[in-house]
Amino acid sequence: DVKVTQSSRYLVKRTGEKVFLECVQDMDHENMFWYRQDPGLGLRLIYFSYDVKMKEKGDIPEGYSVSREKKERFSLILESASTNQTSMYLCASSLDFLTDTQYFGPGTRLTVL
Amino acid sequence: AQKVTQAQTEISVVEKEDVTLDCVYETRDTTYYLFWYKQPPSGELVFLIRRNSFDEQNEISGRYSWNFQKSTSSFNFTITASQVVDSAVYFCAPAASGNTPLVFGKGTRLSVIA
Repeated sequence: DVKVTQSSRYLVKRTGEKVFLECVQDMDHENMFWYRQDPGLGLRLIYFSYDVKMKEKGDIPEGYSVSREKKERFSLILESASTNQTSMYLCASSLDFLTDTQYFGPGTRLTVL
Repeated sequence: AQKVTQAQTEISVVEKEDVTLDCVYETRDTTYYLFWYKQPPSGELVFLIRRNSFDEQNEISGRYSWNFQKSTSSFNFTITASQVVDSAVYFCAPAASGNTPLVFGKGTRLSVIA
């Protein structure tokens, strides 16, 4: 079974802090994704990566950056957290193509005060 | 670009009723994929089905069935004899074959009442 883990289920940070959300997958998947989920808006893609050190912007990259130094790990970085980044963050991975089935982690609920 | 509409924001049914969740997509591609995911209250999205646009046969898996109608760009999901454990948010997501990521709909929240 594919296992995608996220470093925290719940996180509370203060405005202006630098925040790291970590995601690890154990199935040697090429692609990894970061989404945020907000009520009424569904899942919106922030960034994705199709290879180590490669990244692409999704639909809402503003205010975020990512890092993929190793194949199994994909980090989402909030350089200076703001209250409008309070959300549920979901990480996913897929095998080869971006159209392959994505497997999701449990999510991190981030609150920025 | 792919677009997807899940017109039903919330549905509430009584246990054992059948329920259909609608999904309408837009695409200019001739080859594409369609997905359904379930998000139970625990929060983790669970993969349900992936369908290739060339395969128009309907799919049945236990109480779940999917009706793919290419002519109307719809990929509807039916749960037969619903159960409380089916209560979740369900997402439909198309993906173009040109190696672009899935586009998720806004989801339909299904509540099954005992």
